[in-house]
Amino acid sequence: DGGITQSPKYLFRKEGQNVTLSCEQNLNHDAMYWYRQDPGQGLRLIYYSQIVNDFQKGDIAEGYSVSREKKESFPLTVTSAQKNPTAFYLCASSKTRLAGELRFGPGTRLLVL
Amino acid sequence: AQKVTQAQTEISVVEKEDVTLDCVYETRDTTYYLFWYKQPPSGELVFLIRRNSFDEQNEISGRYSWNFQKSTSSFNFTITASQVVDSAVYFCALIGGNKLTFGTGTQLKVEL
Repeated sequence: DGGITQSPKYLFRKEGQNVTLSCEQNLNHDAMYWYRQDPGQGLRLIYYSQIVNDFQKGDIAEGYSVSREKKESFPLTVTSAQKNPTAFYLCASSKTRLAGELRFGPGTRLLVL
Repeated sequence: AQKVTQAQTEISVVEKEDVTLDCVYETRDTTYYLFWYKQPPSGELVFLIRRNSFDEQNEISGRYSWNFQKSTSSFNFTITASQVVDSAVYFCALIGGNKLTFGTGTQLKVEL
């Protein structure tokens, strides 16, 4: 049974440090997404990718970067430019962009030391 | 602009009570899709239902039912005979045009 894996489950970042969150899917989905979840604010889109080697900014892309070198993988880097990175990060995928329901990973909780 | 409003931040019920989660949406698109997702304490969102704008039939799946009313731009979700395992955050979402928008979620607590 296919799914989405995210690692690590918890991640600690020091001031000025870049950290990378992993997201892998074996669903053969073309589209992948990164969302940030803060208490009381729902899910906000950081970046999305419709196809390999292509990605687009979402609503809150500043301080983040992504890559999509393989269909299965969509890592998210939280750079030192992101001043308030503490949040729950969710990766998702769908067969095609806006085609229907999203499948979500278990999430990564990022904390700042 | 596209918007999804879940006015109920938190709801607490006693097990076996029925509970309705409200969702009101705004969109200028004539073709759109509505969704409900469940986020249990583990954190992973789980898809529950998708409804397109041309299908206003209500749907029932076990203890879950959904009421879609275009006239009031609402897509409400009812859990009948709630159980402790229903405790989660529930998100309503809308795909319209080229954008997916989530509501802020409703935290449901079902107590014994």
